[in-house]
Amino acid sequence: NAGVTQTPKFRILKIGQSMTLQCTQDMNHNYMYWYRQDPGMGLKLIYYSVGAGITDKGEVPNGYNVSRSTTEDFPLRLELAAPSQTSVYFCASSYPPDRGSFYGYTFGSGTRLTVV
Amino acid sequence: AQKVTQAQTEISVVEKEDVTLDCVYETRDTTYYLFWYKQPPSGELVFLIRRNSFDEQNEISGRYSWNFQKSTSSFNFTITASQVVDSAVYFCALTPFYSGYSTLTFGKGTMLLVSP
Repeated sequence: NAGVTQTPKFRILKIGQSMTLQCTQDMNHNYMYWYRQDPGMGLKLIYYSVGAGITDKGEVPNGYNVSRSTTEDFPLRLELAAPSQTSVYFCASSYPPDRGSFYGYTFGSGTRLTVV
Repeated sequence: AQKVTQAQTEISVVEKEDVTLDCVYETRDTTYYLFWYKQPPSGELVFLIRRNSFDEQNEISGRYSWNFQKSTSSFNFTITASQVVDSAVYFCALTPFYSGYSTLTFGKGTMLLVSP
């Protein structure tokens, strides 16, 4: 099925460990995003990308890194995990909002990460 | 900068009551999109509606209706004859209508609890 696929769905990390959250989309969307959701705080943008090879920081980028080598994939890297990174992470994709093909954002099902 | 405010943190109603979820936004952009998303207990984000800023026509979809008022920067969501299945967190969100730095800004969400 077309959409945004995130893996893994759940993960427990120890403090100081590293991991990569995978995100892939098959809709040929130019834009991709990573959000984190903390209880009662809505979703906050970590990083986004407007195309392969182009990434930029969002509101809460510290402790994370991204890369965009292909249109389809947008992995999020956590280095030296900290308890403050315990959250639910959502990947999303879209066409640019000023295009006629824009209909909104497609979200993955989320990754629940716990750092202990 | 843009901002979305959902002042109601949690609303509790009894089944069949009508309920309105408020959303107030701030943006310097003259054209933009507004969204509502539903997040049921299972955690995924479900798209409900997209509205662009140059279309102030209200919209009704079954038991759901949306009231967009540009003069007051509000985009309120009403559920008529609420049902237990409507229990979820509802997010209002905003994105500018141009490419480049165009990302979705979320409110903090309103948790709706519908009891039988």
